[in-house]
Amino acid sequence: QKEVEQNSGPLSVPEGAIASLNCTYSDRGSQSFFWYRQYSGKSPELIMSIYSNGDKEDGRFTAQLNKASQYVSLLIRDSQPSDSATYLCAVSGAGSYQLTFGKGTKLSVIP
Amino acid sequence: GAGVSQSPRYKVAKRGQDVALRCDPISGHVSLFWYQQALGQGPEFLTYFQNEAQLDKSGLPSDRFFAERPEGSVSTLKIQRTQQEDSAVYLCASSLHGGDGYTFGSGTRLTVV
Repeated sequence: QKEVEQNSGPLSVPEGAIASLNCTYSDRGSQSFFWYRQYSGKSPELIMSIYSNGDKEDGRFTAQLNKASQYVSLLIRDSQPSDSATYLCAVSGAGSYQLTFGKGTKLSVIP
Repeated sequence: GAGVSQSPRYKVAKRGQDVALRCDPISGHVSLFWYQQALGQGPEFLTYFQNEAQLDKSGLPSDRFFAERPEGSVSTLKIQRTQQEDSAVYLCASSLHGGDGYTFGSGTRLTVV
């Protein structure tokens, strides 16, 4: 049974601070890693993908992957109230099309 | 179309009723997925199509669930004899190639009463 674990939160950070969201996964053969943002009552929106160890930056977002530790994280710099949402970590295996999602971490950015 | 379109947006069904949920993927997207999202949970995989071929239906929870994509474009998820535990948001997603990050539709919220 493939598992993806996230702290459900809520994680509260002040506006302008760095928000750090973490995710661990059980399947060592996992190859592709994604972060989705989901606003309340809306569908998930892809914000980052990462496939190799290290950091990947896109604007205020940085995804970090450590396959040896089976750990992936998302950093949000200069957090804004509009970043308040649930962040879902998703993982897929080699050559797989199926994503396994965590339960999500709820982030609140306090003005 | 510009995005993945799902209909209806909301559906209330009496227990035992059959329902059909529609998904219109992004034009040209080969891969189409159905996921089920219960309240407070992450989406869970139901089934996957590559064009008109249903390559994986391992996530369908029972034989009451059936999905099709006869012409490799629009897909329908059908649930027969609905039960209360079927209440959830049903998300459709598409991608150009299987395994890429998906684009999700806005979902259909099914409530079985």
